[in-house]
Amino acid sequence: AQRVTQPEKLLSVFKGAPVELKCNYSYSGSPELFWYVQYSRQRLQLLLRHISRESIKGFTADLNKGETSFHLKKPFAQEEDSAMYYCALSGSETSYDKVIFGPGTSLSVIP
Amino acid sequence: DAGVTQSPTHLIKTRGQHVTLRCSPISGHKSVSWYQQVLGQGPQFIFQYYEKEERGRGNFPDRFSARQFPNYSSELNVNALLLGDSALYLCASSAARGSFNYGYTFGSGTRLTVV
Repeated sequence: AQRVTQPEKLLSVFKGAPVELKCNYSYSGSPELFWYVQYSRQRLQLLLRHISRESIKGFTADLNKGETSFHLKKPFAQEEDSAMYYCALSGSETSYDKVIFGPGTSLSVIP
Repeated sequence: DAGVTQSPTHLIKTRGQHVTLRCSPISGHKSVSWYQQVLGQGPQFIFQYYEKEERGRGNFPDRFSARQFPNYSSELNVNALLLGDSALYLCASSAARGSFNYGYTFGSGTRLTVV
């Protein structure tokens, strides 16, 4: 079964502290992983893709196929990082046409 | 570019009625996908259309249907509305499909309330 889990519904960290948002997936084919973010009163938007190995707004995510994880990390959290974060996957099993989203983690950065 | 536009922004319907939601993708984007987001959950995939053909379908009943027009805009139709259909309906567009999908651009959604 294709599935994305994000074990933390809510995560609070202090400004300047490291942050890690966990994402695990279940997928038998070749997956592509994404992180989407939704800031307050804004649209859902793409944050980063695993395939591009990029760092966006200081965030990075590494695909670990052995642990089937794609955790999102940032060394020093900023107040403007407070938002809802969704991990998502697509892949070869569905010709990449279907994107499956996790339930989301609400990140709150405390000043 | 106005981005992905959806109409209407809010809608209240009665059980058993029918609803049509509309989406205009970013200019040049040929792929449109529809998602349902219930409060407290992540978006759930309903349909994807590319070049006016259905390319993917999620686990939704036949009451849900969609189509894509020659200008790549799209409609989502829901018949015989149930209370459980109350949700935010998101439209997303992308320039390509398959492994060339570089991620979706989402609209702001249509909030459907069924009473």
